[in-house]
Amino acid sequence: GENVEQHPSTLSVQEGDSAVIKCTYSDSASNYFPWYKQELGKGPQLIIDIRSNVGEKKDQRIAVTLNKTAKHFSLHITETQPEDSAVYFCAAVGQLTFGSGTQLTVLP
Amino acid sequence: ETGVTQSPTHLIKTRGQQVTLRCSSQSGHNTVSWYQQALGQGPQFIFQYYREEENGRGNFPPRFSGLQFPNYSSELNVNALELDDSALYLCASSRQGGAEYNEQFFGPGTRLTVL
Repeated sequence: GENVEQHPSTLSVQEGDSAVIKCTYSDSASNYFPWYKQELGKGPQLIIDIRSNVGEKKDQRIAVTLNKTAKHFSLHITETQPEDSAVYFCAAVGQLTFGSGTQLTVLP
Repeated sequence: ETGVTQSPTHLIKTRGQQVTLRCSSQSGHNTVSWYQQALGQGPQFIFQYYREEENGRGNFPPRFSGLQFPNYSSELNVNALELDDSALYLCASSRQGGAEYNEQFFGPGTRLTVL
């Protein structure tokens, strides 16, 4: 089955700096890669996604890149704000398989 | 539009007992998936229900079972509870019907503690 690895597990940045979270996947048949944000006491919420026929996608301060050859995809958050603090999960679909999560802390 | 709701919010059981968790899907959605999220981990896929039939299953034993009702709501049943079953159980709904994957919307989860 699919295996998704996510790094780093924790990430602290100063407000206004950028944050990058990286994931790798194992199943070359996976063709959809969503990113979720999970705040304390809540379920994961989709923040951005990318399909395998696209290399990059941007939505305001958030961008995702995908390298299908290397089976890598990354989340980039620019101009971070304290409200960006949460746990972020990458995932790969075939069957929705999550990474282990990154606890992002944005320091004011 | 009502989002995905789950009940109860929290539950405490003892080892060997049975538990039923409930999920109401988002309006217009016909598919429900269940996930187990251990502390500090990503959600792990348990199974999915589409048109009241199981439509895919992860690496979970048969004591994890489910149902989907005609109104697309769903139940997750776990028999013979073990300590390792302690986790947040997430339900997600989506609208399936085509070949392309459709976004899943998650509920807030049920926190199960097994003592």
